[in-house]
Amino acid sequence: DVKVTQSSRYLVKRTGEKVFLECVQDMDHENMFWYRQDPGLGLRLIYFSYDVKMKEKGDIPEGYSVSREKKERFSLILESASTNQTSMYLCASSPPGRRGDTQYFGPGTRLTVL
Amino acid sequence: SQQGEEDPQALSIQEGENATMNCSYKTSINNLQWYRQNSGRGLVHLILIRSNEREKHSGRLRVTLDTSKKSSSLLITASRAADTASYFCATDAGGYQKVTFGTGTKLQVIP
Repeated sequence: DVKVTQSSRYLVKRTGEKVFLECVQDMDHENMFWYRQDPGLGLRLIYFSYDVKMKEKGDIPEGYSVSREKKERFSLILESASTNQTSMYLCASSPPGRRGDTQYFGPGTRLTVL
Repeated sequence: SQQGEEDPQALSIQEGENATMNCSYKTSINNLQWYRQNSGRGLVHLILIRSNEREKHSGRLRVTLDTSKKSSSLLITASRAADTASYFCATDAGGYQKVTFGTGTKLQVIP
């Protein structure tokens, strides 16, 4: 069965802290994604990666960076957390092949920055 | 910018009734997907319809796609309380393996 896991379900951090959100998939997928979800705005793509050590900016990359050292793991980093980064963060993965194919999501991390 | 926009934003129906939600998009697509999200959880893929398809079924779900109107609809028949969730359409908006999600329709099915 397909599985995407995220390191935390809930996280509370202080302004200025460095925050790591981890995502692991066990499906040997090439593509991995990070989204943030806010009420009324839907899901917005932060970064994605189509191979190990490869990354591409999404629609809202400012204030974030990512790391993909291994195929199964994709990390989202908030270098200096700010209150406007309080949000639900969702990780997803998808196999290679056709464009825009099915994405498999993790359960999400609800991050609160105080 | 948002590629897919769902309508209505919220829908409340009685158990057993049918639920219909719509998605409109702006540019040509290769495919359109529908996802479900239970409260506070990740999204679950429901169905994918390709641009050369007009209708697709999966269990109690029926999806239609009208590329001339740039719109799609998701019909859930004989709804159940467990169908209570938010439903999102997603279109491939160009770029490698990227899709763009709409803002969702929040469905409440009252037992």
